[in-house]
Amino acid sequence: DAGVTQSPTHLIKTRGQQVTLRCSPKSGHDTVSWYQQALGQGPQFIFQYYEEEERQRGNFPDRFSGHQFPNYSSELNVNALLLGDSALYLCASSFSSSVLGYTGELFFGEGSRLTVL
Amino acid sequence: GQQVMQIPQYQHVQEGEDFTTYCNSSTTLSNIQWYKQRPGGHPVFLIQLVKSGEVKKQKRLTFQFGEAKKNSSLHITATQTTDVGTYFCAGQVDSNYQLIWGAGTKLIIKP
Repeated sequence: DAGVTQSPTHLIKTRGQQVTLRCSPKSGHDTVSWYQQALGQGPQFIFQYYEEEERQRGNFPDRFSGHQFPNYSSELNVNALLLGDSALYLCASSFSSSVLGYTGELFFGEGSRLTVL
Repeated sequence: GQQVMQIPQYQHVQEGEDFTTYCNSSTTLSNIQWYKQRPGGHPVFLIQLVKSGEVKKQKRLTFQFGEAKKNSSLHITATQTTDVGTYFCAGQVDSNYQLIWGAGTKLIIKP
């Protein structure tokens, strides 16, 4: 049973460019959350996708956008990259129970390390 | 905005000593989760606490959730080299799907 897989693992971009990161959730999971983790910091919530829609969004600008596909996989897109976007981007999958507003255990991928020069 | 403060930032211990990390939220939490992240790795779920005053144990790890559901702690008894990593708490507020993460406490074993 594959866990959460993310690609690419590492990438280098220059300021102003655009990047797309991909995530396949753990088998049986229907919800994908994206986090940004700067060095030495805790993960910061970007947004969560469920039923192919953005269900919740954190305090990130519109340059950060995403998508969820019918097979539950997800993409994170970042436009007009800034130096400050350099970080580890983590995808976490979970199963959304029938309890409204409940967030259960998150399973994380290995992350995509983005460096912006 | 809503914050979860976690202290200390680092804790250096001799192998065999105990380790404790504390989290304090500015608002009441519906539940709190704990994760461990090894150096160069990704966060791995340890446990979730939901009830006021809840205490859960996993071998040498003891997790507590405060009566007011605003604070939580993780205590490790007799640390081992395998315990090295950063421990994060992550809280959920009301029916808000996002988790609010502490900054983590890094456990370092002194040589």
